[in-house]
Amino acid sequence: QKEVEQNSGPLSVPEGAIASLNCTYSDRGSQSFFWYRQYSGKSPELIMFIYSNGDKEDGRFTAQLNKASQYVSLLIRDSQPSDSATYLCAVNKGSGTYKYIFGTGTRLKVLA
Amino acid sequence: GAVVSQHPSWVICKSGTSVKIECRSLDFQATTMFWYRQFPKQSLMLMATSNEGSKATYEQGVEKDKFLINHASLTLSTLTVTSAHPEDSSFYICSASKDTGNIQYFGAGTRLSVL
Repeated sequence: QKEVEQNSGPLSVPEGAIASLNCTYSDRGSQSFFWYRQYSGKSPELIMFIYSNGDKEDGRFTAQLNKASQYVSLLIRDSQPSDSATYLCAVNKGSGTYKYIFGTGTRLKVLA
Repeated sequence: GAVVSQHPSWVICKSGTSVKIECRSLDFQATTMFWYRQFPKQSLMLMATSNEGSKATYEQGVEKDKFLINHASLTLSTLTVTSAHPEDSSFYICSASKDTGNIQYFGAGTRLSVL
């Protein structure tokens, strides 16, 4: 079992729809959770981070964390073609380390 | 704030030569910096973690004598790929973390092509 799992996709959604990206992790003691967006040939760009159970909203993006079920998700409302990218889930285990464990990413395609 | 600069963005070198990549945090002091490698259509693979003034911690399977990391100050870390070979061709990305929040801010990456 991988430490951080994501469906590789591609996930295709029409423009204006809600895109839902999911990530599960295996270490129950994980502390911090991050979503990065990576365009082809570019480096990752931070979208959201979440530390506590529940929802966290920032503009069109909502991160959801459920520690009991060990999953974190990212919702993108009113999806735009410019949102088409690979979305990487990263998990930090805490305990004094800043290391991330990355998922393999989900490729999102927003169709115009 | 939280800008990370990485240089060069693209480098081509001959097999057997060494290449140095710089990573700078421009507007914050980075307690920890990370070096990743990414092959096409794959996720980021952590190579090493470096803290200012101490030796880097390498991930399993990463040759520390081949990938030399120096973290000379709180704003600068360098990765030197020594005796580069075509199989070292990849996208190398650095990131830097502030003291709090565990958030990593990424540089733009360096595309290395070894001929």
